[in-house]
Amino acid sequence: EAGVAQSPRYKIIEKRQSVAFWCNPISGHATLYWYQQILGQGPKLLIQFQNNGVVDDSQLPKERFSAERLKGVDSTLKIQPAKLEDSAVYLCASSLRAAIPTIYFGEGSWLTVV
Amino acid sequence: AQTVTQSQPEMSVQEAETVTLSCTYDTSESDYYLFWYKQPPSRQMILVIRQEAYKQQNATENRFSVNFQKAAKAFSIKISDSQLGDAAMYFCAYRNYNTDKLIFGTGTRLQVFP
Repeated sequence: EAGVAQSPRYKIIEKRQSVAFWCNPISGHATLYWYQQILGQGPKLLIQFQNNGVVDDSQLPKERFSAERLKGVDSTLKIQPAKLEDSAVYLCASSLRAAIPTIYFGEGSWLTVV
Repeated sequence: AQTVTQSQPEMSVQEAETVTLSCTYDTSESDYYLFWYKQPPSRQMILVIRQEAYKQQNATENRFSVNFQKAAKAFSIKISDSQLGDAAMYFCAYRNYNTDKLIFGTGTRLQVFP
């Protein structure tokens, strides 16, 4: 079974530029999550999708971050314009449904804003 | 709001010895899941062990076992016969049964010495 795929793995951009990260969850997984993990901290949930609907985006900085999940499968997370404090690893995760508790993570996309 | 606390930023253990990592959480829910994830330098989150809150029996997975104390809201992991490959960041996480939201602690860095 293929895992959660993310790209790009690494990205370096200048502040005020834009960046987009892509995630392909495990086939059939209805729930998709984006987490931000700043160095030395635990992952923080940015947004949670159930199929193509948003369940929780309370911690998404909406003035600069946006996310969508097309057709309830792939998802894209965009940052525009980027700030220095956005430097982090962006983790995508997916799960089958609420009754199945395990959440599977991708390898993450490392963002450095200079 | 649910919170997860890991009060040990760093722990160390000698190879073949046993080490326990601690975690406490706060919730008003009665149904939930608790997890320990391992994160190596590659930053991919790897599930180590899972505990369902409704189960009184502590979960075990090979060399990993948990001590789940629901009334005290404490959830520790014991790693027996520690191996060099166990060195990583370990995150305790709480998942709400109803919302699927997964909340992480700040992590404990485990070092294993030969």
